[in-house]
Amino acid sequence: KNEVEQSPQNLTAQEGEFITINCSYSVGISALHWLQQHPGGGIVSLFMLSSGKKKHGRLIATINIQEKHSSLHITASHPRDSAVYICAVRYYEDSGGGADGLTFGKGTHLIIQP
Amino acid sequence: DSGVTQTPKHLITATGQRVTLRCSPRSGDLSVYWYQQSLDQGLQFLIQYYNGEERAKGNILERFSAQQFPDLHSELNLSSLELGDSALYFCASSVDGAGYQETQYFGPGTRLLVL
Repeated sequence: KNEVEQSPQNLTAQEGEFITINCSYSVGISALHWLQQHPGGGIVSLFMLSSGKKKHGRLIATINIQEKHSSLHITASHPRDSAVYICAVRYYEDSGGGADGLTFGKGTHLIIQP
Repeated sequence: DSGVTQTPKHLITATGQRVTLRCSPRSGDLSVYWYQQSLDQGLQFLIQYYNGEERAKGNILERFSAQQFPDLHSELNLSSLELGDSALYFCASSVDGAGYQETQYFGPGTRLLVL
């Protein structure tokens, strides 16, 4: 069964620091999603990537298709960025990726201290 | 507010019972997805419907079933409930959903506790 690996599992940083969260997957994908889950449980979609790089405010997401790797960066981090960040991929049907739909990583628990 | 609504917010029931979770997608969205989030398994895709038809199936148990109605709202039915079914159940919607190359908008979730 192909999995989505995220690192680190937990990250505590000081306000203002540059944050990087990594996501690796094993076979070909058609899409990669970054999600943010707030402490109250709500989930917000941050980015959908199939190639290249996307930026929204202080958030930047990149994907390297050849290396099967994506990163989520947060610049000038703030305590309100404290959340769980989840990577999810959609494997190509013929890639041997397994189950249909999205396959999720276990998440990175980020705490930004003031 | 994502525009996706889910009811109820919380549900407490007993083993062996049956419950129905309801989801209304964003206006204009034709695809509805159901996900389960448990402490040990994390987030898992259950099933996707597009314009009333099942489009993709994930790790959905045979005791669970879903449907999407003509007005595009969806229901997830969980029967013969077990303690291990206790989880957060999320619904999400998107305009089309083909290839999963669209943003999905998540509802607030239904927290199910099976005692």
